[in-house]
Amino acid sequence: EAQVTQNPRYLITVTGKKLTVTCSQNMNHEYMSWYRQDPGLGLRQIYYSMNVEVTDKGDVPEGYKVSRKEKRNFPLILESPSPNQTSLYFCASSYRQGGYTEAFFGQGTRLTVV
Amino acid sequence: KNEVEQSPQNLTAQEGEFITINCSYSVGISALHWLQQHPGGGIVSLFMLSSGKKKHGRLIATINIQEKHSSLHITASHPRDSAVYICAVSKTGGATNKLIFGTGTLLAVQP
Repeated sequence: EAQVTQNPRYLITVTGKKLTVTCSQNMNHEYMSWYRQDPGLGLRQIYYSMNVEVTDKGDVPEGYKVSRKEKRNFPLILESPSPNQTSLYFCASSYRQGGYTEAFFGQGTRLTVV
Repeated sequence: KNEVEQSPQNLTAQEGEFITINCSYSVGISALHWLQQHPGGGIVSLFMLSSGKKKHGRLIATINIQEKHSSLHITASHPRDSAVYICAVSKTGGATNKLIFGTGTLLAVQP
């Protein structure tokens, strides 16, 4: 089954404690991205990757890091989480960037930073 | 002004009613997407379209490229249709061709 898998689904952490949210896709997609979803603001892109070892900032990259060492995995790293990073996070993948290309989304990770 | 605007923001309907959600955009696009998000759930793609009309079961999506407008229709609505519906566009031009999202329409269908 084609899918994007995120872990964990729920996470409560304390300010400053490094964490990683994993994302994996089984569709051999080149393009992967991370979004955060906040009430009234919709989905905003944090980082994206066009292929292995190719990553770039999205609209709200501050406080986040990513890596793309393998095509299937695209982890999101919060080196020193802060309460303003409390949000619902989604990983997505697609065959290529933009264009007439369907995007597949993970189940979401609800992060609370206290 | 947001590049993708949806209306209404909230919608309550009775079971069986015909529902329309609207999406307007102000940028050049190569595709428009309608997405569904159930409470506590992930986001799933309902439609991707670049012209005309598509139908899946009780769901119909239309797009008018000239007017930069799309509608999502739900016929014979059911409580299980209750969800957030998100319009997104694949924006052309610029440094990246990325998805731009509307803020979503929260639909509640009451039995």
